[in-house]
Amino acid sequence: NAGVTQTPKFQVLKTGQSMTLQCAQDMNHNSMYWYRQDPGMGLRLIYYSASEGTTDKGEVPNGYNVSRLNKREFSLRLESAAPSQTSVYFCASMAGKRTQYFGPGTRLLVL
Amino acid sequence: QKEVEQDPGPLSVPEGAIVSLNCTYSNSAFQYFMWYRQYSRKGPELLMYTYSSGNKEDGRFTAQVDKSSKYISLFIRDSQPSDSATYLCAMSLSNDYKLSFGAGTTVTVRA
Repeated sequence: NAGVTQTPKFQVLKTGQSMTLQCAQDMNHNSMYWYRQDPGMGLRLIYYSASEGTTDKGEVPNGYNVSRLNKREFSLRLESAAPSQTSVYFCASMAGKRTQYFGPGTRLLVL
Repeated sequence: QKEVEQDPGPLSVPEGAIVSLNCTYSNSAFQYFMWYRQYSRKGPELLMYTYSSGNKEDGRFTAQVDKSSKYISLFIRDSQPSDSATYLCAMSLSNDYKLSFGAGTTVTVRA
């Protein structure tokens, strides 16, 4: 039982490049989330998917897109990376009682 | 003003001391309250979960919710160096899939 997995663990991009962060969960959870974490800012919600087939914007969606590929997988895409998107990105999935389980994170550096 | 306020610290205590952490919030409709622990370069993990007001104890950890004051607390008794981490409070509405996080408090327990 792997829980929530994320790939890659670390990535360096140049400004303007694109990339997709992958997330998968094996806990049969309906809801999945993407957060970014910056020093002093806590966790900020980028997008979430309450159930398969739905996605909604969170607090900081600009510059990102998401795809809920199936119940297990939820990807985050940066179409044209900017230095302001340098951050640590966490994927999470949620059980029914508001318990969110987090992945190990992806560290992204945009030069 | 942020919806959830949490003093970022850092907080440094000697081994065996009681650690006291707290968050205040502005939305009186929050019903679910959580504390997450995050070790350096890892994803957050759920530590305590409380519904509505009251206290909850789990080993050395006690979570308190005072909805009248819009204030939640986490106490760690007999702190250990392994408790050194960042602690994030989180809360949500009864009809919402999203969590609102505090910025996190970094705690160091000195041996």
